[in-house]
Amino acid sequence: EPEVTQTPSHQVTQMGQEVILRCVPISNHLYFYWYRQILGQKVEFLVSFYNNEISEKSEIFDDQFSVERPDGSNFTLKIRSTKLEDSAMYFCASSGRGLRFQAFFGQGTRLTVV
Amino acid sequence: KNEVEQSPQNLTAQEGEFITINCSYSVGISALHWLQQHPGGGIVSLFMLSSGKKKHGRLIATINIQEKHSSLHITASHPRDSAVYICAVRSNTGNQFYFGTGTSLTVIP
Repeated sequence: EPEVTQTPSHQVTQMGQEVILRCVPISNHLYFYWYRQILGQKVEFLVSFYNNEISEKSEIFDDQFSVERPDGSNFTLKIRSTKLEDSAMYFCASSGRGLRFQAFFGQGTRLTVV
Repeated sequence: KNEVEQSPQNLTAQEGEFITINCSYSVGISALHWLQQHPGGGIVSLFMLSSGKKKHGRLIATINIQEKHSSLHITASHPRDSAVYICAVRSNTGNQFYFGTGTSLTVIP
């Protein structure tokens, strides 16, 4: 069964450092998403990406965040200068053509900023 | 404001019981998802609904678009069903998802 894969599963970084979280979406999917879940809180939408550009972003997704699909298979989330409050589980998801296609989620990357 | 409300927040059941988790939403949607999150944190998509009812094994999901309400039912619950169940809706005005806070289910043997 196709799946979304995320690497690394856990990343520890120092405050102020840049991190890149990587995702490999399902190969024929066209819509890509990043979400985050701070420990003990609900999942929050960060950004959606379609046709090589951001289609929606939340107010959480400020100038410190960026997304890229560098090579047609990977989908990355970059945090430029991490803050303690960026510590969370980050989930990537992808879905096929059209709004009615099911979104598949990766297992998440746990980011710890120290 | 919460675009998606779930109830109950916590649920403990005996093995074999029939379980219902409810989800109400306030925005226009193109689809509603039921997700399962295990203690390790990974999320699994159980169902995507835009109308009616879907069944997969012991899981049944229903949606009433007019009432903006969905239910997830688990028949003959089992300890391995213990997880957090999350309702998420996809907005019909863009490409955004809104998530409920989740229902933590514990099934006791």
